[in-house]
Formats: sequence, C-alpha cells, structure tokens
Amino acid sequence: GAVVSQHPSRVICKSGTSVKIECRSLDFQATTMFWYRQFPKQSLMLMATSNEGSKATYEQGVEKDKFLINHASLTLSTLTVTSAHPEDSSFYICSASLGNTIYFGEGSWLTVV
Amino acid sequence: GQQLNQSPQSMFIQEGEDVSMNCTSSSIFNTWLWYKQDPGEGPVLLIALYKAGELTSNGRLTAQFGITRKDSFLNISASIPSDVGIYFCAGQNATSGTYKYIFGTGTRLKVLA
Repeated sequence: GAVVSQHPSRVICKSGTSVKIECRSLDFQATTMFWYRQFPKQSLMLMATSNEGSKATYEQGVEKDKFLINHASLTLSTLTVTSAHPEDSSFYICSASLGNTIYFGEGSWLTVV
Repeated sequence: GQQLNQSPQSMFIQEGEDVSMNCTSSSIFNTWLWYKQDPGEGPVLLIALYKAGELTSNGRLTAQFGITRKDSFLNISASIPSDVGIYFCAGQNATSGTYKYIFGTGTRLKVLA
C-alpha cells in the first residue's frame, strides 16, 4: 500500500514552453502533497506544499507564478513549470502524506533545451 | 530551505560490515523518517519513528528516535552490495504547525564486495 506515482518520468521541452508533471496517490487519499526539487548529489529541497482544494504554500525563494501547483482532488496534484528555461532542468519529486508518514513518487526528470 | 545535519556525508565500507549514521536538529521533532534513494529514483521509506526513545527494526535496519527528540540514528547490520545508495533522514517539526518535513543532507553509502 501507499503507492505514489509520477508522470512523466522523463520529459524534454523547448525553452519558453510549459510542462506539467502529475503526482497521484494510487491507493490512498492525500489531502497534502509536497513538491521537491533535487540537484545532482544534493538533498531534496522542498518547493511547495500542495493542499487539496486550496492554494499551495510555497517555500521562500520559489516563484509561484513559475511553478504552478494544482491539487484538484484527493489523489492528484500537478506541478506546471511555466516558460521553462534550461536552468529549470532538474529532478522533480512529489510526495503524499498519509498520517504522519510521507511516501514519494518515482521522480520526474525535466530537461529544458 | 532548512535542512537537518546528517553525518557522515559518505561512507565506503566492506561487505559484511555494520553501518551507522545519524541526524541532529536544533528543533524538537515529533516524527522521524528514514529513506533510501537509488540514483534517478524517488526515495523509498525504510523506517518511521513516532515516539521519543522508540527503537524500530526492518530486517537488517534499525533506527532509533532520540530521547531528546532532536536526533535519530540508523544502523545497517551486515551490509551487502545492494545497500549502496543515499540515505536520508526526515523530521517533522513539532512546533511548525504543518505537516512539512525537513530533510537531512544525505549519507552516501558505498559497499565494496
């Protein structure tokens, strides 16, 4: 149980375009999901907390107009990287909260060319 | 964002040896989680700790929730090659009023056969 799935696992997009990443909790409902960014050989950096039915809470330094988060249902949160630039290339990971424990998706590699 | 102090940063050990790593925080936590991350994948939950002093095992892995609620330890006994990866601790701040988790800086483990 407690499976979280991300899609796509890898995406390449052109600079200036937008790309959407989905995070789904497959076998449980999650009122809270989290989005992270991870650079090579570094830890996970929390970008935002996604709350079902309300606005996401962004961490300091994260542009909310660039990283749009929508949590429209108890099993789905989406992260849209708008007007992507090469510096947005990274590994993006989501997690979903079940009780006091969080479970991670497989991660999504974004490459902006 | 805020991070926990995790040590050691990296370890090279011989197969069969025991491994120990820890995380410390200046804040009190009410939950500690330990994860393992393989390259290019999302972190996988190993052990969850919910009470100060709690000692929990998962196969060859044992983790403890420090009595001061400011630290946690993870031990791996009789290491094997597939233990290779990055281990992260995560703590939920008791005073934050949110479900947000803070992550350790990671311990890179390499096991020499």
